[in-house]
Amino acid sequence: QQPVQSPQAVILREGEDAVINCSSSKALYSVHWYRQKHGEAPVFLMILLKGGEQKGHEKISASFNEKKQQSSLYLTASQLSYSGTYFCGTLGAGNQFYFGTGTSLTVIP
Amino acid sequence: NAGVTQTPKFQVLKTGQSMTLQCAQDMNHEYMSWYRQDPGMGLRLIHYSVGAGITDQGEVPNGYNVSRSTTEDFPLRLLSAAPSQTSVYFCASSPPLPASTDTQYFGPGTRLTVL
Repeated sequence: QQPVQSPQAVILREGEDAVINCSSSKALYSVHWYRQKHGEAPVFLMILLKGGEQKGHEKISASFNEKKQQSSLYLTASQLSYSGTYFCGTLGAGNQFYFGTGTSLTVIP
Repeated sequence: NAGVTQTPKFQVLKTGQSMTLQCAQDMNHEYMSWYRQDPGMGLRLIHYSVGAGITDQGEVPNGYNVSRSTTEDFPLRLLSAAPSQTSVYFCASSPPLPASTDTQYFGPGTRLTVL
């Protein structure tokens, strides 16, 4: 039930945009997005609920397509601080939370 | 408000030894969980609890035990450590389930090496 993310890794120059996709084989009721920097714990970015609107936080936003069981994270005008590994997460059967496979994002000057 | 705390931060064990990783939260959260993260990998759920006295297995429960006698504490026990259990362990809590509009709050992690 682990969601699959794409791409696995991406390298950007400062100011460029990126899209990270999260796809599940199971019906999604909510999608969480986290960012994890090397050696640190994951940090919550945003949650999208079924039937909810697109969320945004500064230059990071996300969408949730319930029918396609997909969510996408949009990073615009990337900054060096955006570097890290991004994970989506979903709630599966029996209250189990599943993290996605992860996307490594590196922003270079 | 300390959030989620984990001890120890680092631990080295020999194969066959047992130990307990401690996790505590002071936010009165009902939902607590343990994840392991292997190098370059995502987080996999070991065990979780939806409230005091209630625990359940996650994706990779073998070799681990948990108990939840209080709302605040959720210790993870390694019964007989094996090299395959070398990993970073994260504890997390949330109110009351991750499906709510709130998030999971993570502890700083315990880096465990089994020789």
